[in-house]
Amino acid sequence: SQTIHQWPATLVQPVGSPLSLECTVEGTSNPNLYWYRQAAGRGLQLLFYSIGIDQISSEVPQNLSASRPQDRQFILSSKKLLLSDSGFYLCAWDPEGGPTDTQYFGPGTRLTVL
Amino acid sequence: DAKTTQPPSMDCAEGRAANLPCNHSTISGNEYVYWYRQIHSQGPQYIIHGLKNNETNEMASLIITEDRKSSTLILPHATLRDTAVYYCIVRVAITGNQFYFGTGTSLTVIP
Repeated sequence: SQTIHQWPATLVQPVGSPLSLECTVEGTSNPNLYWYRQAAGRGLQLLFYSIGIDQISSEVPQNLSASRPQDRQFILSSKKLLLSDSGFYLCAWDPEGGPTDTQYFGPGTRLTVL
Repeated sequence: DAKTTQPPSMDCAEGRAANLPCNHSTISGNEYVYWYRQIHSQGPQYIIHGLKNNETNEMASLIITEDRKSSTLILPHATLRDTAVYYCIVRVAITGNQFYFGTGTSLTVIP
């Protein structure tokens, strides 16, 4: 069966510090991978998605970036965090070529920028 | 932009069926109806999806009206662990097409 992992689970960072969040998927090959952010009391916002290694599409211009160095690894980064970067970050995957692209979400990382 | 309308909250007695409605009157022919739920501080959990026909799996049943303008998620025997926010989403099934989670329905299962 497929599983998706995210770490860390929680993170508190000062403004201006760098960020690296990691997501890995097990039990599948060539997944499509996604990064979402959920702000408090709001819906999910798609940040990036990737259909393959080093293939990243950005949905929202901001101070975040994403990378996919390996097939089942997706990393979200920032060089300098802003207060507005606080939120619940979710990684998701769906199987390549799946008929309905149902996305499966990871457990999330709660980021607080102080 | 969420294209669905759901009641903000509902209660259900433990052991009874929970029927969660969703209105999607502007749904287009190639959009699927998906249901997810999110327990506090966890990632959304996929429940079920459908296009036209009613669907059933080990978690729930999805009833879609013939005109596809509304649907109902049915949890046949609600347990306390089903307390969560339930999201109804309509979406064209294309890679990279995001899931727009609105405010959902906060379901509380009462002992």
